Amino acid sequence: RKEVEQDPGPFNVPEGATVAFNCTYSNSASQSFFWYRQDCRKEPKLLMSVYSSGNEDGRFTAQLNRASQYISLLIRDSKLSDSATYLCVVNGASGGYNKLIFGAGTRLAVHP
Amino acid sequence: NAGVMQNPRHLVRRRGQEARLRCSPMKGHSHVYWYRQLPEEGLKFMVYLQKENIIDESGMPKERFSAEFPKEGPSILRIQQVVRGDSAAYFCASSPLTGVTEAFFGQGTRLTVV
Repeated sequence: RKEVEQDPGPFNVPEGATVAFNCTYSNSASQSFFWYRQDCRKEPKLLMSVYSSGNEDGRFTAQLNRASQYISLLIRDSKLSDSATYLCVVNGASGGYNKLIFGAGTRLAVHP
Repeated sequence: NAGVMQNPRHLVRRRGQEARLRCSPMKGHSHVYWYRQLPEEGLKFMVYLQKENIIDESGMPKERFSAEFPKEGPSILRIQQVVRGDSAAYFCASSPLTGVTEAFFGQGTRLTVV
């Protein structure tokens, strides 16, 4: 089982739609969770951290379910500019250190 | 406060040559990750380093690839005797703490092997 798994998509949605991505992780001891966004041929950039109580940033809402070990990202009122790949990131243990582990990403395409 | 700096941005090498990719982390960051991304594919973890210490190199190919992060200077990803399959974007990310906080990425080095 992969440490972090995401549906690769692509998710093709019209402008204004609501879309949700899920991500599952295997290490129950993970403590830190993030969503990154990567535009075509660009570097990944932090979109938002994910907190236990869930958090919202404008049209974006992130949720964490520790019992089921999954993280979700909800995008409301999709814009064309939301088209990108969304990466789920979890910390995990490695040789006594924590390290960040990236999912392969979910591709979103928003069309007019 | 400069972000993560990678150079060169673009690198062209002939088959059999060596490629050296540099990454200067953000100020105050002591942890560096290297990732490779092939066209139309996701990020693939290669190596995770702390200054003067390789923490996890489980994603590094066993031959031709090496990485270092010296006490002074940038982190270096070195690819010897490059082959066409090494053509990819190589991203470096840095973080201040051991994997608890988010990491920040450089703009990447696009390696083309001809």
